[in-house]
Amino acid sequence: KQEVTQIPAALSVPEGENLVLNCSFTDSAIYNLQWFRQDPGKGLTSLLLIQSSQREQTSGRLNASLDKSSGRSTLYIAASQPGDSATYLCAAHSGGYQKVTFGTGTKLQVIP
Amino acid sequence: GAVVSQHPSWVICKSGTSVKIECRSLDFQATTMFWYRQFPKQSLMLMATSNEGSKATYEQGVEKDKFLINHASLTLSTLTVTSAHPEDSSFYICSATRDRNYGYTFGSGTRLTVV
Repeated sequence: KQEVTQIPAALSVPEGENLVLNCSFTDSAIYNLQWFRQDPGKGLTSLLLIQSSQREQTSGRLNASLDKSSGRSTLYIAASQPGDSATYLCAAHSGGYQKVTFGTGTKLQVIP
Repeated sequence: GAVVSQHPSWVICKSGTSVKIECRSLDFQATTMFWYRQFPKQSLMLMATSNEGSKATYEQGVEKDKFLINHASLTLSTLTVTSAHPEDSSFYICSATRDRNYGYTFGSGTRLTVV
């Protein structure tokens, strides 16, 4: 059974700081790994999708890496802004493509 | 591309009534859609997998007679909460996927409050 853990559970940083969110998974046989952002009371917005054959993906100030062998993914946010404040979730797709397991999320607060 | 629309965004209903939530993939066909429930400060819990033209597959512990799922077309899945009770109050989110190369796209969620 796939288990996905995110550390830290909460993070508060001053504006402009670079930060790293961590995601670990127990079953390395994944199809891909996806990072999402969730604002309070809202649905999930996809940020980055990394296929199992890829090492990293970049979109603007966001960079996500994937190391299947160690069961880890990181989301790097450069020059953080107050608008980045949200809960970030990672999701591992495995056990048959349609099986996705979510982490419990990291709640990020960027202080102006 | 890959937009999923979910309606309504919020609904308040009386205990004992039924509520229908719609999930539409606007710019792609989704043979499979998923319904999640999210409790405050918790991650998403998969309720069921909705397959176009066939019965939904429910996760263990989810009452299929309570949460009716219909996936009548490649772009529409509905979740009906029957005889709703206050404990059914929650945030419900749907998602859809085109294929493994595109990942999952989520709707904006529905906040259900049963009074």
